[in-house]
Amino acid sequence: NAGVTQTPKFQVLKTGQSMTLQCAQDMNHEYMSWYRQDPGMGLRLIHYSVGAGITDQGEVPNGYNVSRSTTEDFPLRLLSAAPSQTSVYFCASSWVSNQPQHFGDGTRLSIL
Amino acid sequence: GQQVMQIPQYQHVQEGEDFTTYCNSSTTLSNIQWYKQRPGGHPVFLIQLVKSGEVKKQKRLTFQFGEAKKNSSLHITATQTTDVGTYFCAGWDGGSQGNLIFGKGTKLSVKP
Repeated sequence: NAGVTQTPKFQVLKTGQSMTLQCAQDMNHEYMSWYRQDPGMGLRLIHYSVGAGITDQGEVPNGYNVSRSTTEDFPLRLLSAAPSQTSVYFCASSWVSNQPQHFGDGTRLSIL
Repeated sequence: GQQVMQIPQYQHVQEGEDFTTYCNSSTTLSNIQWYKQRPGGHPVFLIQLVKSGEVKKQKRLTFQFGEAKKNSSLHITATQTTDVGTYFCAGWDGGSQGNLIFGKGTKLSVKP
């Protein structure tokens, strides 16, 4: 039972490049979410999904897109990377939104 | 909107000393959760409190939920080096589109 799997673990991009952060869970959770973690800022919600085919914006959605075509997968796309998007990104899942979250190991992203 | 404030931001203790972190919400919470994040790791769920005045214990950790369900605390008795990390609270007020709101965390360092 892998839980929540994020890939890649580390990535360096140049400004303007695009990329997709992958997230997959094998717990059949309906709710999935993406957070970014910056020093002193805690965890800020980027986008979330309450089920396949349904996504919505969180606190800091600008510059990011998501889709949820299956229950298992919830990729996060950076459209045109900016240095301000340098951060650690965590994907999380749970049965419903306000219940305990299972986090992936994170993706450490640097934008030069 | 809902805000969750957590204090202190940092706490340095000598091994064996006690430690407490506090969480305060601007609105009444339906539940509150606590997470621990080890350095370089991901947040891991510790406990959820739901009832007014609830107190739960996990070995040396004591969690409390205030009578008004607007504040919570985590107390660690006789800290050990294994307690090092950042402790986050996360609350849900029944609104916010059902999403948890995380505090910014308290980073605990323990000097042996």
